[in-house]
Amino acid sequence: QSALTQPPSASGSPGQSVTIFCSGTNSVIGTNKFVSWYQHHPGKGPKLLIYEVNKRPSGVTDRFSGSKSGNRASLTVSGLQAEDEADYYCSSYVAGDKWVFGGGTKVTVL
Amino acid sequence: QVQLVEAGGRVVQPGTSLTLSCTASGFTFATFGMHWVRQAPGKGLEWVAAFSFDGRNKFYGDSVKGRFTIDRDNAKSILSLQMNNLREDDTATYFCAKAHDNGWFYLASWGQGTLVTVSS
Repeated sequence: QSALTQPPSASGSPGQSVTIFCSGTNSVIGTNKFVSWYQHHPGKGPKLLIYEVNKRPSGVTDRFSGSKSGNRASLTVSGLQAEDEADYYCSSYVAGDKWVFGGGTKVTVL
Repeated sequence: QVQLVEAGGRVVQPGTSLTLSCTASGFTFATFGMHWVRQAPGKGLEWVAAFSFDGRNKFYGDSVKGRFTIDRDNAKSILSLQMNNLREDDTATYFCAKAHDNGWFYLASWGQGTLVTVSS
């Protein structure tokens, strides 16, 4: 069982926004700045979307945004497009020099 | 641009060993931490191992600690993962990943993966 909990699925229509939540403990999310989000299209390598809770790597569209409140992090995808249909994973670097991933959320564009 | 190409995945029997490699290009390999992450069929991502850029630190996930060894050859820009005493639950696609400029807390670039199947 992962230290990070995500809903298995989320969906939205083109143009709408969808928010994915990632829950953890105080040490895994709450007081941890090393929270990141990845997009994974099956058959490809995952892609870093958000790092340090809310920062976007260069080249990542600003339709993706990250935030955190308490022990829950979130990823919002605005202006949903067909290409956003993918699996999304939250991740955190935790004490003991380990990295953990959430179980993943499959986003469907209706 | 950054390119990571994994190789070595194949079908092996339980209890045997296998070594995966990841050939890196497009960046100065010796200055970045590197990771291995796997995904079992139909499952999510699982972090496997990490190796600091300077060779001082290696860390492993609980499920592979003591059986897997991560290594790197900075002269050849190759990351490797030696996997011993393989079990059926090690069956997965194995990805190598390059650390972000802001530190190895984030996995900035990933390869396409190589499939390891452990089956009798």
